[in-house]
Amino acid sequence: QQQVKQSPQSLIVQKGGIPIINCAYENTAFDYFPWYQQFPGKGPALLIAIRPDVSEKKEGRFTISFNKSAKQFSLHIMDSQPGDSATYFCAPWGFDCGGAQKLVFGQGTRLTINP
Amino acid sequence: GAVVSQHPSRVICKSGTSVKIECRSLDFQATTMFWYRQFPKQSLMLMATSNEGSKATYEQGVEKDKFLINHASLTLSTLTVTSAHPEDSSFYICSAREPGPNEQFFGPGTRLTVL
Repeated sequence: QQQVKQSPQSLIVQKGGIPIINCAYENTAFDYFPWYQQFPGKGPALLIAIRPDVSEKKEGRFTISFNKSAKQFSLHIMDSQPGDSATYFCAPWGFDCGGAQKLVFGQGTRLTINP
Repeated sequence: GAVVSQHPSRVICKSGTSVKIECRSLDFQATTMFWYRQFPKQSLMLMATSNEGSKATYEQGVEKDKFLINHASLTLSTLTVTSAHPEDSSFYICSAREPGPNEQFFGPGTRLTVL
């Protein structure tokens, strides 16, 4: 049972481009929608997060767009740089069927920004 | 953001031995800690959730007797991989959550290699 579907699996963009990563979820009990950035050999780090009462949030070059009715949210990276090359995970938070509250990780998107 | 540390960062052990990994929240009290496992080029898989002073809650398919979790204090949780085998080789990541906000802070991960 796949609660969270992330796409694309990998993405290559030229420097300055705007990569967009999408996340679709099924569980309407999710109430917190973060994106994590992970570099090789490191733990994930919170990049940006949104709550369902707003449709967009911007922090620096990173923007989350949230569509509650479609149960989707996406990450946009403006003016992308080679240093943004990493794996990105969406991980909505909420209660699962067993009543436990936890992050549910997407499959990950390996982003490469070419110089 | 808050800091979570893990020790060791890398460990190589022989098959049949037990390995203990420590996870510490350095500047906050973590009522809940999570342990994840990540295989190469894959997403994080939640293994268990531990609350200070109580037994850990394991995800389906995770062997409780093999992966012993102890959350003895509000700043320390340990994961012991008992009788480790080569298939247990993986990247183990812990995260900690303080009361109230949804944000989870991730440790840098521990690379376990079982020969």
